Amino acid sequence: DAGVIQSPRHEVTEMGQEVTLRCKPISGHDYLFWYRQTMMRGLELLIYFNNNVPIDDSGMPEDRFSAKMPNASFSTLKIQPSEPRDSAVYFCASSKELGTSGSNEQFFGPGTRLTVL
Amino acid sequence: QKEVEQDPGPLSVPEGAIVSLNCTYSNSAFQYFMWYRQYSRKGPELLMYTYSSGNKEDGRFTAQVDKSSKYISLFIRDSQPSDSATYLCAINTGGFKTIFGAGTRLFVKA
Repeated sequence: DAGVIQSPRHEVTEMGQEVTLRCKPISGHDYLFWYRQTMMRGLELLIYFNNNVPIDDSGMPEDRFSAKMPNASFSTLKIQPSEPRDSAVYFCASSKELGTSGSNEQFFGPGTRLTVL
Repeated sequence: QKEVEQDPGPLSVPEGAIVSLNCTYSNSAFQYFMWYRQYSRKGPELLMYTYSSGNKEDGRFTAQVDKSSKYISLFIRDSQPSDSATYLCAINTGGFKTIFGAGTRLFVKA
């Protein structure tokens, strides 16, 4: 398997523009996570899905952020309008239900480095 | 107070040294304790996990959990330059919502 795929790898945009980040999870994984990583705040969970349904979006910073998962192999994170403080690395991760055992390991993509000027 | 506290470092050691990385947490309900390793410009990868208290060893790496103190540690023996990375502790209650520490940047000098 190719692992979690994210695109684009780098995005530079101007304040006020719409940004769309994309993720393809590992085939067969039924959980998908979106994280944001900054030096100041570390790795923060934004939202996660189970079987394409959003389960917990309490980490989404504000209404400018939205995420969708239209099918099991694709998810998007959209920021509209973008602001300089949104600059960060955004990671997508996927995981497979392991029942009552195991750590529910999350497999991360390579991330999208977003810069908002 | 953050749910997981981790010193961001950086920590610089000579090759061959024993490295100790630590985290504290506040919620006694946490049961799964993990360490992820993140190389520069890459996503984190699971290195080790421990359920409840105790030690777990895997080669040069030992993970230790002390639930009474709410303290978790990762020890690296005979550290190598290839161990240079950011190490993130991560905890959860057994579900899928995992809380990550800020990560400690480790540099192992040849």
